[in-house]
Order: sequence, then structure tokens, then C-alpha cells
Amino acid sequence: DQQVKQNSPSLSVQEGRISILNCDYTNSMFDYFLWYKKYPAEGPTFLISISSIKDKNEDGRFTVFLNKSAKHLSLHIVPSQPGDSAVYFCAASADGSARQLTFGSGTQLTVLP
Amino acid sequence: GAVVSQHPSRVICKSGTSVKIECRSLDFQATTMFWYRQFPKQSLMLMATSNEGSKATYEQGVEKDKFLINHASLTLSTLTVTSAHPEDSSFYICRLFSPGQKNTEAFFGQGTRLTVV
Repeated sequence: DQQVKQNSPSLSVQEGRISILNCDYTNSMFDYFLWYKKYPAEGPTFLISISSIKDKNEDGRFTVFLNKSAKHLSLHIVPSQPGDSAVYFCAASADGSARQLTFGSGTQLTVLP
Repeated sequence: GAVVSQHPSRVICKSGTSVKIECRSLDFQATTMFWYRQFPKQSLMLMATSNEGSKATYEQGVEKDKFLINHASLTLSTLTVTSAHPEDSSFYICRLFSPGQKNTEAFFGQGTRLTVV
């Protein structure tokens, strides 16, 4: 049973526009959520996180929104750049410290020039 | 600079042989190390969790006798794939964790691409 789901395996966006990546979860015990970016044959790169006590966190071009009632989070990238093309994973933790992470299946983002 | 060093980045081995992958913490003492495996176009699946000085805890479906994990110190963990078979070909990634360590969510290794022929 997948506790963290990314239902869109791929997304294409024009350069300069907004990219919105979505993630749903089922475990109500999750209290800390993270987004990672990953290139092929490399380890994940941490992008941004959000605690369940917040509904928004922003860092530069990246903003994460959390809707606890819907068990849904999203990552917004504005403006999108070709270098953002990668696989994006959302992850969740139930211990508030990101010790044990459960990953989604990933979304391949392609930003078209 | 890099906090985690994982080696080798790529390895090709013959079926039936063993391969050792190293994961080193460069800047801090990692109390916990995680090993993940990623098959093409799939998620990162946790294989095992190891705490320094104790036996690793394996996830359901992961054979502990096939994937030997040693966490002998706070700065080094190794994963040995024993008697490798083609179905073990995958991307293996380590992750370091230390409670209270700043940015601990970012401490992933660079990954190892294992190809068994």
C-alpha cells in the first residue's frame, strides 16, 4: 500500500511558466514533508520541506503548499527553468525529524525552452 | 562541500560475484545510515536501516543474507551484495542521519549504479 503517491509520472512546462507538482498521502501520522530533485545516476538533492503545523513554505523559486485536510501537498516552481528538468520526489516522515522517510514514485518534470 | 561520499559510482560485475559499496560521512558522526534501492522509473525503496554498532534492520522482502550491511563506525557503512544476479542490477543510495544535525534531510550519497552481467 503506497502511503505517498505522485499520480503524475510526467509533466511538461514551458520555460518561464509555473510548474506544479502534486503529492498525496494516506498516513495521517505524517507530520513532516519534503521535496527532492533527482537527476539520473545521482543521489536526491533536498529542495524544501514543510512541517504539518504550516500550510506554506517558500524558498526562492520554490514554494510548498500543504493541505492537511485533503492530505495533499504541492510544489510550485516559478519561474520554471530548463535546468529544473529532473525527477521530483515528495517524501514524508512521521517522526518530525526526517529520520524515516517514505518516498513517492516521482514525477519527471521537463521544462521546455 | 560534500557531506556524504559513496563509492563506487558505477560497477559492473559478473553473476555470482559479490560487490561492496561504501558510504562515508565526511563532516559529522552519523548515528543512523539508511540504504535505498531504486529501479528504473520507480521510487526510492528503503532496504535497511543501520545504527552504529548494532545489526541492521531490514525491510520486508529484503534478504539480509544477500545484502550484508556493516556499520562499524559513525562515519562508515558498507553494503555488500553477495552472489549478485542480474535482477540485483539497480541504483543503490545511502543516506546519513544524525538527530539534531542541521540539514540532515539532505545527506544522501551520490548513488551506485550496479550492473550484474
